[in-house]
Amino acid sequence: SQQGEEDPQALSIQEGENATMNCSYKTSINNLQWYRQNSGRGLVHLILIRSNEREKHSGRLRVTLDTSKKSSSLLITASRAADTASYFCATGLQTGANSKLTFGKGITLSVRP
Amino acid sequence: NAGVTQTPKFQVLKTGQSMTLQCAQDMNHNSMYWYRQDPGMGLRLIYYSASEGTTDKGEVPNGYNVSRLNKREFSLRLESAAPSQTSVYFCASKWGNEDTQYFGPGTRLTVL
Repeated sequence: SQQGEEDPQALSIQEGENATMNCSYKTSINNLQWYRQNSGRGLVHLILIRSNEREKHSGRLRVTLDTSKKSSSLLITASRAADTASYFCATGLQTGANSKLTFGKGITLSVRP
Repeated sequence: NAGVTQTPKFQVLKTGQSMTLQCAQDMNHNSMYWYRQDPGMGLRLIYYSASEGTTDKGEVPNGYNVSRLNKREFSLRLESAAPSQTSVYFCASKWGNEDTQYFGPGTRLTVL
């Protein structure tokens, strides 16, 4: 079953604008991660936020986590054409020695030059 | 340092044929994972291996088997391929208590 649900499903913006993507989930988590997938390629990890954190930054990326609302948002500032990709949120849960990620269906971001 | 590699990149099978997808990582990671990705869906976990010598079922294990051959290699086998197994398959790995997974480039499988 899909844990994370991203919103919107697709987003089209102009280069230089900010892109905001949202993710909601249903059960308890240890962390939430965002991955990027360029067309025809594997997933690349972007940023991780732990359940006891509220906000993290990495370069042009800002992620927030609200565990009371079971939601997260990813902000990409000053977008570039090279940011065009699919973005996935993934919730991480550690159970004993096992650590698993559950992915959402993804958001398609198009950045127009 | 090649990271996570997968072979083959593309494969076409007929219904009922068998094949093995290979995955190897050179990052000395303990855990390895197999996912499938279908259009409009996220990645779904097929099987995983928390450490060498152990494997466990994920969300969609039916029709698949896995082997953790050694610390580096984790293979996925389709014994009797079905059209419903047409998908893109990704292998991933991670180290110890870290939470970030590193993905291979994928294998695009079509079952006719």
